[in-house]
Amino acid sequence: GQQLNQSPQSMFIQEGEDVSMNCTSSSIFNTWLWYKQDPGEGPVLLIALYKAGELTSNGRLTAQFGITRKDSFLNISASIPSDVGIYFCAGGNAGGTSYGKLTFGQGTILTVHP
Amino acid sequence: DGGITQSPKYLFRKEGQNVTLSCEQNLNHDAMYWYRQDPGQGLRLIYYSQIVNDFQKGDIAEGYSVSREKKESFPLTVTSAQKNPTAFYLCASSRGRQPQHFGDGTRLSIL
Repeated sequence: GQQLNQSPQSMFIQEGEDVSMNCTSSSIFNTWLWYKQDPGEGPVLLIALYKAGELTSNGRLTAQFGITRKDSFLNISASIPSDVGIYFCAGGNAGGTSYGKLTFGQGTILTVHP
Repeated sequence: DGGITQSPKYLFRKEGQNVTLSCEQNLNHDAMYWYRQDPGQGLRLIYYSQIVNDFQKGDIAEGYSVSREKKESFPLTVTSAQKNPTAFYLCASSRGRQPQHFGDGTRLSIL
């Protein structure tokens, strides 16, 4: 099946630092999503991207849909302790009346030191 | 409150047993999905259903079965044929072209 490569696998940063992570795909997607997962819980949607080149912000989070449609990145500015968790990218190809299947990256584990 | 409810939170299975994980949603979503998550890995799709009484295999369907008799419910059965069932199982739902939203998961362990 399709593969998504997400990097880095883990990050250890100081509170206040900026964070950047990205996903690359061997295939084209028409939708990119970014989720955050806290331990023992389900992923929560952070940002959804629907158009190549689109840049979208949600508070301190900014994500971009790559022009080639094969990549996306997520930036977190001025990190705080509650940013700790696992961040997943997901690519999809919505068609017809359904959102369609998603392919997930392996996740980036973020640790923030106070 | 509207949402996706997975139960139980923790489940234990004996060798050779089938177990069923529950997923219920009151969001009026048409599509529902089951994923498996192993440590250090992303989510892998087991089964999905876009409409009542219809479902399709995902990437790792072997050893699992589902049913979709009601729009609100999409139970997953982990059969004895699944040789490595220990994992965190996540259910999701969506409507139209909107993103998938997830339940809080069920952790399955083997006794």
